[in-house]
Amino acid sequence: KAGVTQTPRYLIKTRGQQVTLSCSPISGHRSVSWYQQTPGQGLQFLFEYFSETQRNKGNFPGRFSGRQFSNSRSEMNVSTLELGDSALYLCASSSGTSGGARTGELFFGEGSRLTVL
Amino acid sequence: GQQLNQSPQSMFIQEGEDVSMNCTSSSIFNTWLWYKQDPGEGPVLLIALYKAGELTSNGRLTAQFGITRKDSFLNISASIPSDVGIYFCAGQNYGGSQGNLIFGKGTKLSVKP
Repeated sequence: KAGVTQTPRYLIKTRGQQVTLSCSPISGHRSVSWYQQTPGQGLQFLFEYFSETQRNKGNFPGRFSGRQFSNSRSEMNVSTLELGDSALYLCASSSGTSGGARTGELFFGEGSRLTVL
Repeated sequence: GQQLNQSPQSMFIQEGEDVSMNCTSSSIFNTWLWYKQDPGEGPVLLIALYKAGELTSNGRLTAQFGITRKDSFLNISASIPSDVGIYFCAGQNYGGSQGNLIFGKGTKLSVKP
């Protein structure tokens, strides 16, 4: 079974630009979530999508947005990049449904490392 | 918001030694999970715990869900070089959405051969 695939793996942007990251979940997984990982803050939850609907959102500004397509693939977008947005962005999928006990069992991709100059 | 206190932050041990790390919270969780992250990769689920007092093993790894629901422990026996990495605990509350998953800051494990 293919794992979670994230593209691109690495990218460099400048302040003010915008970026789109892509995630393909494990086949059959309908829940996709995004996390930002930095040395100082650790793993911070961005948002979760289930069946094309945003089910949950973390405490990030509106510059961070996402969407999910009918095939469960997901994208996240960051507009007006700031230096502090430099991080590893991780996508995770799970087979758990809302209210189910196994929704915390996440399968992570390798991440997209974003550097903002 | 909720936070998990994970300790120690880092450990340097000799190959063959046992390792213990823990996670505490001021709030109750109904699920505790432990993940490991290797350099350049995403975290991988090691153990999931669903019942207070539960003790679960995965090879040389053993994790426990604290009776108070506010803590969890991970032990690694007879460490080997490939145990190197960052170990994260995560707690989840009722509601069952991934948005309720809170991660600790991680324990960085280094193993000397």
